[in-house]
Amino acid sequence: SQQGEEDPQALSIQEGENATMNCSYKTSINNLQWYRQNSGRGLVHLILIRSNEREKHSGRLRVTLDTSKKSSSLLITASRAADTASYFCATDPVADSWGKLQFGAGTQVVVTP
Amino acid sequence: DAEITQSPRHKITETGRQVTLACHQTWNHNNMFWYRQDLGHGLRLIHYSYGVQDTNKGEVSDGYSVSRSNTEDLPLTLESAASSQTSVYFCASSRGPNTEAFFGQGTRLTVV
Repeated sequence: SQQGEEDPQALSIQEGENATMNCSYKTSINNLQWYRQNSGRGLVHLILIRSNEREKHSGRLRVTLDTSKKSSSLLITASRAADTASYFCATDPVADSWGKLQFGAGTQVVVTP
Repeated sequence: DAEITQSPRHKITETGRQVTLACHQTWNHNNMFWYRQDLGHGLRLIHYSYGVQDTNKGEVSDGYSVSRSNTEDLPLTLESAASSQTSVYFCASSRGPNTEAFFGQGTRLTVV
């Protein structure tokens, strides 16, 4: 079973708009990570937020983590056509502290010019 | 530059054949992982390794095996390919806990 569940499954926005996607998970974690996958390619790491952090920024990306609700959100500001991709959250569960990641099913984002 | 490479990128095989997918990383990472990606399921963990001679089963390990004889390589073997194993396979590596994973470009496997 998957640890993380992304919401929504798909998102269509116009360039310049913000895109927000959410991730919920089930068990205690060491960290939560977000990855991007362009069509036909491998996953690329975007950002890692540790369990004792609440918010993290990287360029146009903002990630929040609420461990009490077991949820995270990824915000992409001022989206561009190049942001069109699938976005996955991955959790590093406390039960296995060696770095094994569990992925959700992803959010497919389409940014139209 | 360090990298992680998978081969082949595409493969078509027949039901019942043994197939091996290669994964090679030059990051010198201890952790290596194999995932499969299917529509609607995201990435599911097949096998993983935390170091040489260490291998562990993931959530969908039936019909697959791995071996880790050195740091750089974690080949994935399908003992007797089945149509249900048609999928895109991704290899990944990481330095250890609380670190990012680096992914290969994937292998698209079709079992006919």
